[in-house]
Order: sequence, then C-alpha cells, then structure tokens
Amino acid sequence: AQSVTQPDIHITVSEGASLELRCNYSYGATPYLFWYVQSPGQGLQLLLKYFSGDTLVQGIKGFEAEFKRSQSSFNLRKPSVHWSDAAEYFCAVGGSNDMRFGAGTRLTVKP
Amino acid sequence: DTAVSQTPKYLVTQMGNDKSIKCEQNLGHDTMYWYKQDSKKFLKIMFSYNNKELIINETVPNRFSPKSPDKAHLNLHINSLELGDSAVYFCASSQSLGQNTGELFFGEGSRLTVL
Repeated sequence: AQSVTQPDIHITVSEGASLELRCNYSYGATPYLFWYVQSPGQGLQLLLKYFSGDTLVQGIKGFEAEFKRSQSSFNLRKPSVHWSDAAEYFCAVGGSNDMRFGAGTRLTVKP
Repeated sequence: DTAVSQTPKYLVTQMGNDKSIKCEQNLGHDTMYWYKQDSKKFLKIMFSYNNKELIINETVPNRFSPKSPDKAHLNLHINSLELGDSAVYFCASSQSLGQNTGELFFGEGSRLTVL
C-alpha cells in the first residue's frame, strides 16, 4: 500500500534562510508525487508535482522538489524563505482516485 | 467563482445528532473525495467517487454515508455524531485516470465541532 512519511513535524527557519522539507514514500510502482501547502483556515493548494521525466521539478512561489528513486524521497526546497511561507506543508503520493498524504510539516518563519 | 465549494463552513452540534455537509465542484472533474483532518492536521481519505460510483471506502464507521447525486456533487451525511467526529472535513475533486493531472482541488473545509 502506498504511504508517505514526513519526518519533521515542525521546522523553524529565519526569513531569508534556505529551507528543505523531507518526504519519503512507499509505493509499488513509479509514484505520482505532490507537495501541497495549507495556510491557516484554508484548504490545500498544490505547490508542485512529479509524474515522470526530469527529477527536479519547479513549482509555484519559488519552491522546487527533487525526486530520488534510490532514496524513495521527494524533498521540497526553497532557497530563501519569506514570512508568507509560514504554513503547513503536505507531501502526497498516488494519483486520481486515491491520494495519500503525509502527516504534514508545520513551517514557522522567524523575522 | 469558487471551484470546489462546501457548506457549511462551521458546524457546531450535540452528540447523537445527524448532520450533513454538502460539496459541489464546477471544474468538470469526474472524481470527488472526502478527507478528514484531525486536530493534529493529519489528512485521512474517507471516500472517493468516480462518476458517481464509490471507488474508495476507507475504514470509516457506517455512520458516515456519502451520496453523489451527480458527478459535480458529493455530500457527506453523518448519523449519531460522536465527540471523536470533531474535525475539519475537506471535499476535493480531480480529473479521472486517463486525463490525469493528479492534482486535487480542495474546498476550504467544514469545521465540525461535536459537544
């Protein structure tokens, strides 16, 4: 069965610092992988997705993620964090009909 | 225009009551879902429907009954509400397999509080 692990429950970074959020997945075939962001009181918004091809994918808001099959990972990165990036981030695996989410990583941004 | 809309946004009720949450999407998607997000932000899939047919039914108490009158609507009815049902319920939709972008479009959530 597919599953997703986000090892970090909460991360705090300073504004302007770089960010990496970790995601590991378990899936029987080539996975579809996603990162979503949830701002307080809001639904989830897609940041980026990986289906196939180039393993480094670019998303919205300056985020990128790298698919590493050998490590079963799909880590999210941003070179310089802005205060507005403070939110909950969810990694997900699967596709249509069945999307499974990790437990989320809460990002706090210090001034 | 809101792509995925769900009502009500907030719902406060007593234990034992029956309540419904409605969801509508205007994106022309074939697949709709209900997710439950608990107080620790964990998102768990409950149901998915494809063209009005039930595809996924996770281990959810049968007090929860989804109904899809057409592919643009997926409602969630909950009988005999319990304290543990308090959560935020998210409706989502996506294109079906074959036209798959994989992306889920989420509503803003319905916060259910059972007293």
